[in-house]
Amino acid sequence: EIVMTQSPATLSVSPGERATLSCRASQSVSSLLAWYQQKPGQAPRLVIYGASTRATGIPARFSGSGSGTEFTLTISSPQSEDFAVYFCQQYSNWPPYTFGQGTKLEIK
Amino acid sequence: QVQLVESGGGVVQPGKSLRLSCATSGFSFSDSGMHWVRQAPGKGLEWVAVISFDDSNVFYGDSVRGRFTISRDNSKNTLYLQMYSLRLEDTAVYYCAKSPRSVAGLMDSWGQGTLVTVSS
Repeated sequence: EIVMTQSPATLSVSPGERATLSCRASQSVSSLLAWYQQKPGQAPRLVIYGASTRATGIPARFSGSGSGTEFTLTISSPQSEDFAVYFCQQYSNWPPYTFGQGTKLEIK
Repeated sequence: QVQLVESGGGVVQPGKSLRLSCATSGFSFSDSGMHWVRQAPGKGLEWVAVISFDDSNVFYGDSVRGRFTISRDNSKNTLYLQMYSLRLEDTAVYYCAKSPRSVAGLMDSWGQGTLVTVSS
């Protein structure tokens, strides 16, 4: 089973300040990595897939990078609606599909 | 637009059974792999099971294999999760999610979830 590890657990940034979230896989997942956003009381929403492709309707301030075992989600200038929990997920080696434990992006 | 609506959650005693449903619309259900993912209160996401678009392949997470059964009815555009021998640790919000046919593990749309509480 591939273990996904996200850091930090909580990231505090001011609106407009760049936010960088990290995700590490215990073995290579190539570029088969997705990021999901989850707001309180809501279902997860796909943000990035293929490590770097924005999902439909996702603003250009979201970008993803990385391959192999190291990945990054960057929000260039977070808006109030972007403060949420973000999960990474690998879909390379399965079953099982595995998620990271999440990074909470909060307003400083 | 794509819609996935889960139902069937509730409070159930340990050892009992429960069946969840996920009614879908707005996309070609018969061309989509489908997943169940759960989230225990205050915790992260745990993948539960997947079924291929044509029902030919199913896979389960270790924690539910042998107790849960995923199935689908393409004539009704509906996904199911039959849960047997429920345990306290199965308490969670259960989400259904769809995958594009070409990328089995990508979950590009999710339902709002249904809460299952296992309690004596």
